[in-house]
Amino acid sequence: DAGVTQSPTHLIKTRGQHVTLRCSPISGHKSVSWYQQVLGQGPQFIFQYYEKEERGRGNFPDRFSARQFPNYSSELNVNALLLGDSALYLCASSLMSGTVNTEAFFGQGTRLTVV
Amino acid sequence: DQQVKQNSPSLSVQEGRISILNCDYTNSMFDYFLWYKKYPAEGPTFLISISSIKDKNEDGRFTVFLNKSAKHLSLHIVPSQPGDSAVYFCAASAASGNYQLIWGAGTKLIIKP
Repeated sequence: DAGVTQSPTHLIKTRGQHVTLRCSPISGHKSVSWYQQVLGQGPQFIFQYYEKEERGRGNFPDRFSARQFPNYSSELNVNALLLGDSALYLCASSLMSGTVNTEAFFGQGTRLTVV
Repeated sequence: DQQVKQNSPSLSVQEGRISILNCDYTNSMFDYFLWYKKYPAEGPTFLISISSIKDKNEDGRFTVFLNKSAKHLSLHIVPSQPGDSAVYFCAASAASGNYQLIWGAGTKLIIKP
């Protein structure tokens, strides 16, 4: 059974460009969350989607957006890239949201480097 | 404003001994706590969790203890094995926060042979 898959695994972009990161959750999981991890820090929450609706948003600028598709896969979009956006972007899937705590399962992440 | 703190950036333990990783939190609304393990170039892997209604949860070599009055939790690994060498993250969530995970900065555990 496939785990959480993210693509691409590595990406190099230039300042000002736009990037789209993709995530496929574990089969049967309807909730997808996105996290940004800067070197030496813990992951920071960006977005959570459940049943294609945004359920939570972290303290990130409007340059960051996301969506969830009918098959529960998700995209994270970042516009007008800054050097400070260089980080590991993690996607996590879980069974449900809003009713009970469940553990989240993570993909291997997308390493984004902005030059 | 760090709501979840792991004050030890690294910890070195002899193989076979007990590893104790600590985590402190400030938000009394947190009601669920998780430990994740992360190897380089991989995403975090869920290890063990504990609800705020409990003070201990055990799973094989891993035990998590929660002291709500002190807002402190710890992960015990007994006995420590070389494969346990990794970065360990403590994370917390609250129903009022829509269950988003708030993470500590991590502790790098090194198991010495």
